[in-house]
Amino acid sequence: DIQMTQSPSSLSASVGDRVTITCRASQGISNSLAWYQQKPGKAPKLLLYAASRLESGVPSRFSGSGSGTDYTLTITSLQPEDFATYYCQHYYSTPPTFGQGTKVEIK
Amino acid sequence: QVQLQESGPGLVKPSETLSLTCSVSGYSISSGYYWGWIRQPPVKGLEWIAIMHHSGSSYYSPSLRSRVTISADTSKNQFSLNLRSVTTADTAVYFCARVFTWPNWFDPWGQGTLVTVSS
Repeated sequence: DIQMTQSPSSLSASVGDRVTITCRASQGISNSLAWYQQKPGKAPKLLLYAASRLESGVPSRFSGSGSGTDYTLTITSLQPEDFATYYCQHYYSTPPTFGQGTKVEIK
Repeated sequence: QVQLQESGPGLVKPSETLSLTCSVSGYSISSGYYWGWIRQPPVKGLEWIAIMHHSGSSYYSPSLRSRVTISADTSKNQFSLNLRSVTTADTAVYFCARVFTWPNWFDPWGQGTLVTVSS
């Protein structure tokens, strides 16, 4: 199985901050990476797929980049509704696996 | 717009079988796509369980394959999960979701249902 390692596991930030979350795969995944946002008691919501393609309806302050084994989710100008837990997921092969999550908290 | 809704018992005894159903609206599961299950133990991350296509092909998590069956009832536009011989480690929120192809990302998801394994 491909292991996905996210960092940091949590962070504190203020409204308006730029936030970067990193996801590292245990082997190359050829941009087969999705990012999700999950709020307490809710299902994950797809934000990006193919590492950098924004899902319809997702604000443009969310962006993704990376290649090979290393990928990044960036939120420019953090908004109050962005405080949540973020997960990466590879879909390069079966089984797809998720990172352990990054909780973005209010500073 | 496709919507998914999980249903099933919220409490299952150890060694018994956990059975959940996902009801799909807004799209016929026999028309295409893949349909699957993901779970999230309390205060933990996400784990993919199983996926199926209406044509009959299915894929299972290697760690759960020996205990899991996924199936569909196209007449009801539902698909189901059976997880046998459960233990407390199977306590989790169980989500159903759609996948465009396999493997791929999951979208959309159902709201999730908490299943507790306890005597």
